[in-house]
Amino acid sequence: GAGVSQSPSNKVTEKGKDVELRCDPISGHTALYWYRQRLGQGLEFLIYFQGNSAPDKSGLPSDRFSAERTGESVSTLTIQRTQQEDSAVYLCASRKGGVSTDTQYFGPGTRLTVL
Amino acid sequence: DQQVKQNSPSLSVQEGRISILNCDYTNSMFDYFLWYKKYPAEGPTFLISISSIKDKNEDGRFTVFLNKSAKHLSLHIVPSQPGDSAVYFCAASAKDSGTYKYIFGTGTRLKVLA
Repeated sequence: GAGVSQSPSNKVTEKGKDVELRCDPISGHTALYWYRQRLGQGLEFLIYFQGNSAPDKSGLPSDRFSAERTGESVSTLTIQRTQQEDSAVYLCASRKGGVSTDTQYFGPGTRLTVL
Repeated sequence: DQQVKQNSPSLSVQEGRISILNCDYTNSMFDYFLWYKKYPAEGPTFLISISSIKDKNEDGRFTVFLNKSAKHLSLHIVPSQPGDSAVYFCAASAKDSGTYKYIFGTGTRLKVLA
C-alpha cells in the first residue's frame, strides 16, 4: 500500500496477557518509530529503528515493552503482562531517510484496551 | 517535563475567520518544528513545518510562525473551513544522535463553526 498500515486496528485484552502489534512502513522508508497516545495526552515516543543500526529504545516505559524490526520491513511491538495503564493508541510512523527534514508519516494506530 | 506545550486544549472559530493555534517549547536545541492534524480514528497527517533558520513558512491557507527568542510557534489558518475541524499537534525535533524523534504537544481541538 501507499501508506503506513497497522494491525490490528483495535485490541482488547485482559490484564496480564501479552499483546503484539504490527506495523508495515512505507516501502523504501529506512526509519521507523513507535509512539503511543494515552487519553488526553500528546504522542509519546517509544522506540526508533534506522536501517541496521541499533534501535533507540530510550522511550520504552518498562522492560515489559519490546520491539523488533527486520531490515527495513515490518516491525512488531510486544507488550508483556499488560497493565491497565498500557491502554492507549499505539502509532507507528516511517520516514524516508536520515535527513532531519524528512517527514514522518503515521499509520492509523492500534487502540489497545486492557481490562 | 513537558518540553512542548499546547496550553489551549480547544478552540472554536467561525467559518471564514482566522484560527490561531499556539505552541511553546522549552528545549533550545530544537531546530525543526512541525504541525500535524488528526481526525478521529486516523493517524496524524503532516500539515506544515518550519526550520529554525526561518521565522515564517506559508502553504496555502496555512502559515507557521516561529519566534525563537520566545520559544513560541503558532499556526494560522485563514480562512478557516469546517473541514479544518480536527486536533492539531505541534511537534519539535532536534539533531539528537540522529534520531530526529518528534516531541509532541498535547494537542488543540479546533472546531470551525459553519
